[in-house]
Amino acid sequence: DAGVTQSPTHLIKTRGQQVTLRCSPKSGHDTVSWYQQALGQGPQFIFQYYEEEERQRGNFPDRFSGHQFPNYSSELNVNALLLGDSALYLCASSWSLGLAGKTQYFGPGTRLLVL
Amino acid sequence: EDKVVQSPLSLVVHEGDTVTLNCSYEVTNFRSLLWYKQEKKAPTFLFMLTSSGIEKKSGRLSSILDKKELSSILNITATQTGDSAIYLCAVAGGSQGNLIFGKGTKLSVKP
Repeated sequence: DAGVTQSPTHLIKTRGQQVTLRCSPKSGHDTVSWYQQALGQGPQFIFQYYEEEERQRGNFPDRFSGHQFPNYSSELNVNALLLGDSALYLCASSWSLGLAGKTQYFGPGTRLLVL
Repeated sequence: EDKVVQSPLSLVVHEGDTVTLNCSYEVTNFRSLLWYKQEKKAPTFLFMLTSSGIEKKSGRLSSILDKKELSSILNITATQTGDSAIYLCAVAGGSQGNLIFGKGTKLSVKP
């Protein structure tokens, strides 16, 4: 049973560029959430996708956008990269919105470095 | 503002010691509290505690939820070097119902 997978594992970009990160959820899961984890901090919620729509969103600017495909996989796009966007980006999947205590399972993350 | 606070932020112990990690929260619409272990990248799920399940145990790890004190503890007995990791506490709730994480406790277990 494949767990949550993410690609790429590492990425280096320069300020102003755009980046796309990808996530495939655990088998049987239909909901994908994205988190940003800066060094020394806990993960911060970016947004959550269910039925190909953004259902919830954290306090992140519009430069952060996403998409969910019919096979439940998801993309996170970040435009006009800033140095402060350097972080580990984690994808988590769950079944049926993953709210109210439904456990979210995390992928290995994508380490993004913005120079 | 919803928040989750973990203490201590870091801890160094020797193999065989028992440790207690703390998590306190102020989160509206509390649904559940979760503990994760993060070694390199992916946080791995340990426990979920809710109003109907306030105590969980798995091997040397156990956790209790105190809804009156809005807090939880994670206990690890007979620690091993493999327990070295960052332990994250997260609460499901808030205005958006997503997971709100603390900063984590970095545990180092020396041989």
